[in-house]
Amino acid sequence: AQSVTQPDIHITVSEGASLELRCNYSYGATPYLFWYVQSPGQGLQLLLKYFSGDTLVQGIKGFEAEFKRSQSSFNLRKPSVHWSDAAEYFCAYNDYKLSFGAGTTVTVRA
Amino acid sequence: EAGVAQSPRYKIIEKRQSVAFWCNPISGHATLYWYQQILGQGPKLLIQFQNNGVVDDSQLPKDRFSAERLKGVDSTLKIQPAKLEDSAVYLCASTSAFDPYEQYFGPGTRLTVT
Repeated sequence: AQSVTQPDIHITVSEGASLELRCNYSYGATPYLFWYVQSPGQGLQLLLKYFSGDTLVQGIKGFEAEFKRSQSSFNLRKPSVHWSDAAEYFCAYNDYKLSFGAGTTVTVRA
Repeated sequence: EAGVAQSPRYKIIEKRQSVAFWCNPISGHATLYWYQQILGQGPKLLIQFQNNGVVDDSQLPKDRFSAERLKGVDSTLKIQPAKLEDSAVYLCASTSAFDPYEQYFGPGTRLTVT
């Protein structure tokens, strides 16, 4: 069955440090892949998406993600984290419906 | 552009009671989704509407959950009777015909069943 896996439940990072969140997918064809962010008490906001083409995708809030077919991965990165990036991050794929990973909680320390 | 609206934001009920959630999608968005997000998990699709018709309700527990979108605009999700395991955040999302893959989410309704 198709799925996405986010191996890291919780990540703590210092403000100004870089951040990388892992996402692995299990899918036969090239999936449509997404990263969403959910701040406390808020709905999900789309950070970026990958359908095809350039494997490095730029998103909002300074985030980027790289699609690597050989590794079945779609990792999210940010070069310098701000305190406001503390949130929960979800990787998702869309074949005929949107399916989410379990999420990674990011804590930013001063 | 106004976003997806949901109410109430919070609800506490006792088990076996009933509860209803309301969602108003972004104007003009024909597709509407209801998700259940249990603490520590990603959202799980409960039901998808296209206008006022159901596209997918395969993961909706139909013995206790029901949803409708009578006029193809706003929607109501009902639980009757509620169980403890229904405690979750219920998210509504909508998409437009021009970009069916970008879902816009509301803030959600946090349900606690005691």
